Amino acid sequence: NAGVTQTPKFQVLKTGQSMTLQCAQDMNHNSMYWYRQDPGMGLRLIYYSASEGTTDKGEVPNGYNVSRLNKREFSLRLESAAPSQTSVYFCASSTSGRETQYFGPGTRLLVL
Amino acid sequence: QKEVEQNSGPLSVPEGAIASLNCTYSDRGSQSFFWYRQYSGKSPELIMSIYSNGDKEDGRFTAQLNKASQYVSLLIRDSQPSDSATYLCAVRRSNYQLIWGAGTKLIIKP
Repeated sequence: NAGVTQTPKFQVLKTGQSMTLQCAQDMNHNSMYWYRQDPGMGLRLIYYSASEGTTDKGEVPNGYNVSRLNKREFSLRLESAAPSQTSVYFCASSTSGRETQYFGPGTRLLVL
Repeated sequence: QKEVEQNSGPLSVPEGAIASLNCTYSDRGSQSFFWYRQYSGKSPELIMSIYSNGDKEDGRFTAQLNKASQYVSLLIRDSQPSDSATYLCAVRRSNYQLIWGAGTKLIIKP
């Protein structure tokens, strides 16, 4: 039982490049989330998926897109990376929107 | 004003003493409150959740909630060096979205 997994663990991009962050959970959770964490700031919600087939914007969605591929997988795409997107990205999942969220190990992204 | 406020610290506490961490929030409709611990370079992990006014104890940890004053706190008794981490307060809004504080860095000195 791996819980929530994320790939890659670390990535360096040049401005304008694109990439997709992958997230998968094996806990049969319905809800999944993407956050970013920057120094001195709390976790900020980028997008979430309350259930398979649905996605919604969070607090900071600009510059990102998501896909809920199936119940297990939720990906985050940066179409044209900018230095302001340098951050640590966490994926999380929960049984439902009201329940405890469990986090993956994170992806550290550096945009030059 | 941030929706969830925490003192960034660092809060330095001697080993064996009680560490007290505080969090205030602005949405009066909030119903669920969470404390997560995050070690440097790691992901947040849940320590405790609390939903009703009063105290909730789990081992060395006690969460306290006062909805009238809009604050939630975490007490760590018999603090250990392994408790050194950043503690994140999260509050679930009335629309079920979780809002996070920036965290308090706790240092336990041997």
